[in-house]
Amino acid sequence: LAKTTQPISMDSYEGQEVNITCSHNNIATNDYITWYQQFPSQGPRFIIQGYKTKVTNEVASLFIPADRKSSTLSLPRVSLSDTAVYYCLVGVAYNTDKLIFGTGTRLQVFP
Amino acid sequence: NAGVTQTPKFRVLKTGQSMTLLCAQDMNHEYMYWYRQDPGMGLRLIHYSVGEGTTAKGEVPDGYNVSRLKKQNFLLGLESAAPSQTSVYFCASSAGRGSSTEAFFGQGTRLTVV
Repeated sequence: LAKTTQPISMDSYEGQEVNITCSHNNIATNDYITWYQQFPSQGPRFIIQGYKTKVTNEVASLFIPADRKSSTLSLPRVSLSDTAVYYCLVGVAYNTDKLIFGTGTRLQVFP
Repeated sequence: NAGVTQTPKFRVLKTGQSMTLLCAQDMNHEYMYWYRQDPGMGLRLIHYSVGEGTTAKGEVPDGYNVSRLKKQNFLLGLESAAPSQTSVYFCASSAGRGSSTEAFFGQGTRLTVV
């Protein structure tokens, strides 16, 4: 899997937009970018996945520039319940059986 | 709509004891994974399986064994528990390979070895 680098932690306030950037300089042509969210004492939960440009769902948006060497997870108007650890995964589609997590970004939302 | 179920949810073991953690999924997924997560750390892959009857080593396989006799079940065994194996264990399953598809996680098993 391509190595990823994320900030260890971020702080925000309720109602703000939060952008978490993940660097993956050695991403391969066939790699997808996937983000997971983990609340305390729970297993991770899939948030969003993309290959290029922009992907949006009911939870978040994922922005991927043309060179695909980084990606940004955007959480609009966060609330206290968005306090969690967010993991960025980059792996070659259909070419690896492993699902490897990094250390993630710990987001703390304050009132 | 159970998804991924882990049994037990909590367990305390004495050093040297053995135990088996059970992971069951009802989504007909081919891929299953076992992770451990230490306090304040990310998830580390212990073992995984790409289908019934198959298993493979992950990042930290030492001290653990696994079996996938049935497609829906993935068992994680500790033959001789050590305090270093105190952790929260998560099981996951997915329909496809690696990070190309969505993985579903269980609620975790909190294991303490004293």
